[in-house]
Amino acid sequence: DAGVIQSPRHEVTEMGQEVTLRCKPISGHNSLFWYRQTMMRGLELLIYFNNNVPIDDSGMPEDRFSAKMPNASFSTLKIQPSEPRDSAVYFCASRPRTGREGAGGPVYNEQFFGPGTRLTVL
Amino acid sequence: GENVEQHPSTLSVQEGDSAVIKCTYSDSASNYFPWYKQELGKRPQLIIDIRSNVGEKKDQRIAVTLNKTAKHFSLHITETQPEDSAVYFCAASINGNQFYFGTGTSLTVIP
Repeated sequence: DAGVIQSPRHEVTEMGQEVTLRCKPISGHNSLFWYRQTMMRGLELLIYFNNNVPIDDSGMPEDRFSAKMPNASFSTLKIQPSEPRDSAVYFCASRPRTGREGAGGPVYNEQFFGPGTRLTVL
Repeated sequence: GENVEQHPSTLSVQEGDSAVIKCTYSDSASNYFPWYKQELGKRPQLIIDIRSNVGEKKDQRIAVTLNKTAKHFSLHITETQPEDSAVYFCAASINGNQFYFGTGTSLTVIP
């Protein structure tokens, strides 16, 4: 398996332009997460999907940010219009379905991160 | 919402010494605590995790402890090696869904 695939790996754009980041999760994983990483704020969860349905988007910073997951193998994070403060590394991560471990309770499976997209907004 | 604090932000140790990174969380409903290692320019990778029904977990040179009452958990790396140098993140989660990360600890192991 190729792991989580993100594109582009690097994006440089000018303020005001629309930016679309893409993610292909690992086949068979049913949860997908979008994160933003900056030096100042660390790793922030923006939104996550279960079975293609957005569950929690409270981390999305503003209306300029939107995310979609039209099917189990593809998700996009769009910023429109982009601003310099959006410059960051954006990670997508996917995770298999939570399983059950006998009487010990559910197994919270590992998230697998993609390589990230480094976005620079000038 | 959940608030995760992590200390120290930077840590330097001599090769062979131990390193300890501490995190606190605020939401008592959090029940899953993974630790990630991120090397420069690379993606975060899970190194160990612990659920709230246990107090300690060990995997070779890495161990994690959890104190639910005090709402803190720690990562312990023994016999550190230069390849342990990286940024380490703790996280807290409710049922493995939303993950709230600490701000990271940059660990440098000096040969």
